[in-house]
Amino acid sequence: NAGVTQTPKFRVLKTGQSMTLLCAQDMNHEYMYWYRQDPGMGLRLIHYSVGEGTTAKGEVPDGYNVSRLKKQNFLLGLESAAPSQTSVYFCASSYQLAGGVDTQYFGPGTRLTVL
Amino acid sequence: GQNIDQPTEMTATEGAIVQINCTYQTSGFNGLFWYQQHAGEAPTFLSYNVLDGLEEKGRFSSFLSRSKGYSYLLLKELQMKDSASYLCAPAGTTDSWGKLQFGAGTQVVVTP
Repeated sequence: NAGVTQTPKFRVLKTGQSMTLLCAQDMNHEYMYWYRQDPGMGLRLIHYSVGEGTTAKGEVPDGYNVSRLKKQNFLLGLESAAPSQTSVYFCASSYQLAGGVDTQYFGPGTRLTVL
Repeated sequence: GQNIDQPTEMTATEGAIVQINCTYQTSGFNGLFWYQQHAGEAPTFLSYNVLDGLEEKGRFSSFLSRSKGYSYLLLKELQMKDSASYLCAPAGTTDSWGKLQFGAGTQVVVTP
């Protein structure tokens, strides 16, 4: 049971390049999330998904796109990277609880630098 | 919107007790989480409070007062490995499933 895994762990991009971050979970969780974490700021929600084939915008969605074609995978895309997107990206997943929230389990993070 | 306020940094010696306070404002309320995050690592779950009162779990305890929009995390018998950032995360109810908002974190430094 690997939990939540993320690929890659590190990446350096030039401005304007594109890339996709992959998140995978083996806990059969319905919900998946992408966050970014910057110094002095809390984790900020980029996009999330409440089930296979569904996605929704979070707090800071601009410049990112996501897809959830399979229940266990959640992809985060940067179409044209900008230096402002230099950050640590965390994926998380959780069970669905009727009328409540459940614990989110986080992946190890992807450290992205955009030059 | 949601506002979360917690101290930026706290320093304490090994074996001591430290209390990390968190005040929040949420659109509705669906519980409050505390996470621990060591440098360069992912956040990991510590505690969840949905009702008022104190929840004790070993050396860590978490308290909630919904009417005051206030929570604290109490770390007892501090160990060097407790040096980490502690994130307060209330869950609102703006959506049916209650998204989390994370505070900026409190960096706890444990000294020998």
